Amino acid sequence: DAGITQSPRYKITETGRQVTLMCHQTWSHSYMFWYRQDLGHGLRLIYYSAAADITDKGEVPDGYVVSRSKTENFPLTLESATRSQTSVYFCASSGGLAGPLGYEQYFGPGTRLTVT
Amino acid sequence: KNEVEQSPQNLTAQEGEFITINCSYSVGISALHWLQQHPGGGIVSLFMLSSGKKKHGRLIATINIQEKHSSLHITASHPRDSAVYICAVTAGNQFYFGTGTSLTVIP
Repeated sequence: DAGITQSPRYKITETGRQVTLMCHQTWSHSYMFWYRQDLGHGLRLIYYSAAADITDKGEVPDGYVVSRSKTENFPLTLESATRSQTSVYFCASSGGLAGPLGYEQYFGPGTRLTVT
Repeated sequence: KNEVEQSPQNLTAQEGEFITINCSYSVGISALHWLQQHPGGGIVSLFMLSSGKKKHGRLIATINIQEKHSSLHITASHPRDSAVYICAVTAGNQFYFGTGTSLTVIP
């Protein structure tokens, strides 16, 4: 299917466990992003990637690891999940980052993660 | 501190009313985005602008770079416009988001 997909859509895990959230896009967009959305904070950027094998930190990167071995995939790993990481996670992709007109972002459907 | 502030946080309108949502930002930006988040959670991009005004159907977005302010207008509002509207800015290699305006349009 064309577009951007995330899996799983819902996940419950225990404190201390490692969990990986998957993101896949079919547009060959160079940029991909991971956000978390929490009540009272809105969306916050965790990590982004400008291309395969190029990643950079966002506003709230602590406790998360990303990789991008292929352009179409951008997994997010919580190495040792904590309750504070309970959130809704959105992946997004874009043809670029900045410039005179900016670039539109396309969002995945989100993954609701609960850490018990 | 919040780099992006939106007002109002919540808004209820009668069907047909003209609606305005405001966004102020404190950083230098290359672009401003308006997003719509549906009750089911999905997020779609409505507008991306760096100057002037854009219109799409009943939606109009304006930006004043000097005042660091943008507005999203909805004309002839409809219950299907009920959603959370989010303002975001691209600043260098970062994105900053407002906390959103929850709009409810009553038939």
